[in-house]
Amino acid sequence: DIQMTQSPSSLSASVGDRVTITCRASQSISTYLNWYQQKPGKAPKLLIYAASTLQSGVPSRFSGSGSGTDFTLTISSLQPEDFAIYHCQQSYSTSLTFGGGTKVEIK
Amino acid sequence: EVQLVESGGGLVKPGGSLRLSCAASGFTFNTYDMHWVRQAPGKGLEWVSSISHSSTSIYYADSVKGRFTISRDNAKNSLYLQMNNLRVEDTAVYYCAREFVEVLPAATYTDLDYWGQGTLVTVSS
Repeated sequence: DIQMTQSPSSLSASVGDRVTITCRASQSISTYLNWYQQKPGKAPKLLIYAASTLQSGVPSRFSGSGSGTDFTLTISSLQPEDFAIYHCQQSYSTSLTFGGGTKVEIK
Repeated sequence: EVQLVESGGGLVKPGGSLRLSCAASGFTFNTYDMHWVRQAPGKGLEWVSSISHSSTSIYYADSVKGRFTISRDNAKNSLYLQMNNLRVEDTAVYYCAREFVEVLPAATYTDLDYWGQGTLVTVSS
């Protein structure tokens, strides 16, 4: 199976900060990489697919980049509603795998 | 409006069985592949199983292979997960999710664009 590793596992940031989360695949997955946001007690919500394409309705402060094994999710200016856990997921293989998640907390 | 509603979770003893259901509405169910994803308390997401729209292709995570069976009834717009020989480590919130196919110029991609609210399965003696 393809292993997905996210870093950091958690971070503290302030409203207005630029935040970057990294996801690394154990083998090349081209751009078959999705990002999800999950708030406490809620189901994950799709943010970005194909590594860099914003899902409809997702604010433009979110962006994704990368290809091969290294990917990033960037929030350009953190808003109060962005405090959540972010998950990456590869869709290169029929056996999907997720990263361990990154919790974004209020500083 | 797309809706996925899971049911069937609960408390079961190790070695026991449960059958989860996911009722789908607001979209043409029989044209979408579907997935089960779980999340143990305080942990990350773990993909469990998937089934193609016509049930011809089925996949399982190694951790559940031989114990769990995914199925669907397109006439009832429903997805199922039969879980047998449950273990303590199967304790989790189980989500059903719809797979969406994104066609871009470079390639075709898939993602999980709609998720249910989840149903909690607790395996404990």
